[in-house]
Amino acid sequence: EVRLVESGGGLVKPGGSLRLSCAASGFTFSDYNMNWVRQAPGKGLEWVASISPSSYIYYADSLKGRFTISRDNARNSLYLQMHRLRDDDTAVYYCARDRVTYNWGAFDYWGQGTLVTVSS
Amino acid sequence: EIVLTQSPGTLSLSPGERATLSCRASQSVSSSYLAWYQRKPGQAPRLLIYDASTRATGISDRFSGSGSGTDFTLTISRLEPEDFAVYYCQQYGNSPRGTFGGGTKVEIK
Repeated sequence: EVRLVESGGGLVKPGGSLRLSCAASGFTFSDYNMNWVRQAPGKGLEWVASISPSSYIYYADSLKGRFTISRDNARNSLYLQMHRLRDDDTAVYYCARDRVTYNWGAFDYWGQGTLVTVSS
Repeated sequence: EIVLTQSPGTLSLSPGERATLSCRASQSVSSSYLAWYQRKPGQAPRLLIYDASTRATGISDRFSGSGSGTDFTLTISRLEPEDFAVYYCQQYGNSPRGTFGGGTKVEIK
């Protein structure tokens, strides 16, 4: 069974940093593109970043420079390092798996999310 | 940068009715790489349709996707009570990859 479990969320002050983790199981993690998606309160889904098995990376333009996606294939883990956090980064952050291994695809499995609250 | 616009924002329908949701892209979506997701409160998004018209594993045939280029549609043939939710389209073929539309809420009339 595919499982994605996020952790690392919490309350952080504006300007602070936070590192999110996503533990993957039930599939060959090193074969798949992985992604972070967030949803702010009352807002829609927002794609954050994607990383290929060999660490080819895409970021949403609005987040480039503050967020860094990475992965550790040996630990079956995905990470999102967030710096200079702002109030509008408050959201539930989800990790999600690409459906295919040979190209970029839709997101077929999602974790339950971890809440990041940026507030003074 | 590709932008996805979903309409209507809210669709008020009764169980048993047909729902038609639209997703329009600001430029042609490469290879019809467009997906539809269902989102219910407290649950992770669920993939319904990928590559514009292919149902994901385990998805009821009440859900169907169509379209190409810049215009895409999700149709729910006969609404069941569990279908009332928010639906998002997403493109994954153009840059920036992974762009979502703003969502359509399907609510009970």
